[in-house]
Amino acid sequence: DAGITQSPRHKVTETGTPVTLRCHQTENHRYMYWYRQDPGHGLRLIHYSYGVKDTDKGEVSDGYSVSRSKTEDFLLTLESATSSQTSVYFCAISDFRDNYGYTFGSGTRLTVV
Amino acid sequence: AQSVTQLGSHVSVSEGALVLLRCNYSSSVPPYLFWYVQYPNQGLQLLLKYTSAATLVKGINGFEAEFKKSETSFHLTKPSAHMSDAAEYFCAVSEGGTSGSRLTFGEGTQLTVNP
Repeated sequence: DAGITQSPRHKVTETGTPVTLRCHQTENHRYMYWYRQDPGHGLRLIHYSYGVKDTDKGEVSDGYSVSRSKTEDFLLTLESATSSQTSVYFCAISDFRDNYGYTFGSGTRLTVV
Repeated sequence: AQSVTQLGSHVSVSEGALVLLRCNYSSSVPPYLFWYVQYPNQGLQLLLKYTSAATLVKGINGFEAEFKKSETSFHLTKPSAHMSDAAEYFCAVSEGGTSGSRLTFGEGTQLTVNP
């Protein structure tokens, strides 16, 4: 399997606090993505990156920001966590070498109380 | 714009029976198509992919899918279900070959296998 890890795997945080999730890859893939998965909604794209310092919004980007200061790391920040952001967050990577198919991390389960 | 529709959010089969999970897509360019499987509390794992070569694609765990352009479909099949196939399955489409093309996912189909 491709080297992609997410941290933390589980987190409980309080409403109004900032939270940062980390995605780390060792595959030197150009593209990285953050999705959230919720029952009845499938996977929804939050933000993605097509290179260092190059990022763009997905379909559910409100309340989230991202940063990519180096190829291997893609950080997702919830600026002020709300209960509606309770979800499972997945990071994915892709590259032309894999026909742009994704490789996923194991996910971060975030609970906002 | 691209989209994916998975028909049936829940499918139930008996062990040993045929598995058929349906996926229809729309895309303005020739697509790349993917099936992913998700076991409980895990990330998504690639089952198989179509990237404009053979229309019948074989994947892991005995699954296969056929790309039918005329029907805009990419249904997933397995001749004989096993208990270990119980999982959620996602179909996804990308605008094949486009630099940095993002995947659009269907909402998933939960497969239950009954003994």
